[in-house]
Amino acid sequence: RKEVEQDPGPFNVPEGATVAFNCTYSNSASQSFFWYRQDCRKEPKLLMSVYSSGNEDGRFTAQLNRASQYISLLIRDSKLSDSATYLCVAEKAGGYNKLIFGAGTRLAVHP
Amino acid sequence: EPEVTQTPSHQVTQMGQEVILRCVPISNHLYFYWYRQILGQKVEFLVSFYNNEISEKSEIFDDQFSVERPDGSNFTLKIRSTKLEDSAMYFCASSGGSRETQYFGPGTRLLVL
Repeated sequence: RKEVEQDPGPFNVPEGATVAFNCTYSNSASQSFFWYRQDCRKEPKLLMSVYSSGNEDGRFTAQLNRASQYISLLIRDSKLSDSATYLCVAEKAGGYNKLIFGAGTRLAVHP
Repeated sequence: EPEVTQTPSHQVTQMGQEVILRCVPISNHLYFYWYRQILGQKVEFLVSFYNNEISEKSEIFDDQFSVERPDGSNFTLKIRSTKLEDSAMYFCASSGGSRETQYFGPGTRLLVL
């Protein structure tokens, strides 16, 4: 079983749509979770950290369910500039901040 | 805003040759990492480095790979004898603490022929 699993997509949505991405992780000892964004042939960039209490940053909301080992990202009012691959990332427990990446979910926002 | 830089941006080499990929982490960061991403695949951890020694490495990071912090600013990844399957994008990252955000450099695209 993959350590971090995501639906690869692509998700094709019109501008203004709300889109949700899901992710599951297999290591219950993983401590921290993140969503990174990766544009084509570019480096991953941190979008937001994910907390059990849920956190929101503008149009983006992330949620962690430790009992289900499930992470979500909600994007409201999608913009063309949101088109990218969204990477679900777990931090390996006990490690020196080793990040375990999912394969990513591709989002394409069209006019 | 401080950022991680990497050189070269692209490197083409012949199989069996040695390559050195260079990174300049963010200046006050203490933890350094290398990741790689084969085209079309996920980002994979290679190695973490702290206090002038490797703190963790993956099974990808075999004897052909080594890392070094030769001075106060550079962090290098050396591949001694490149193989075709080493072709990938190599990302350097740094963080200020063991539980702090990792910032990634723009990557070096390595092509082994």
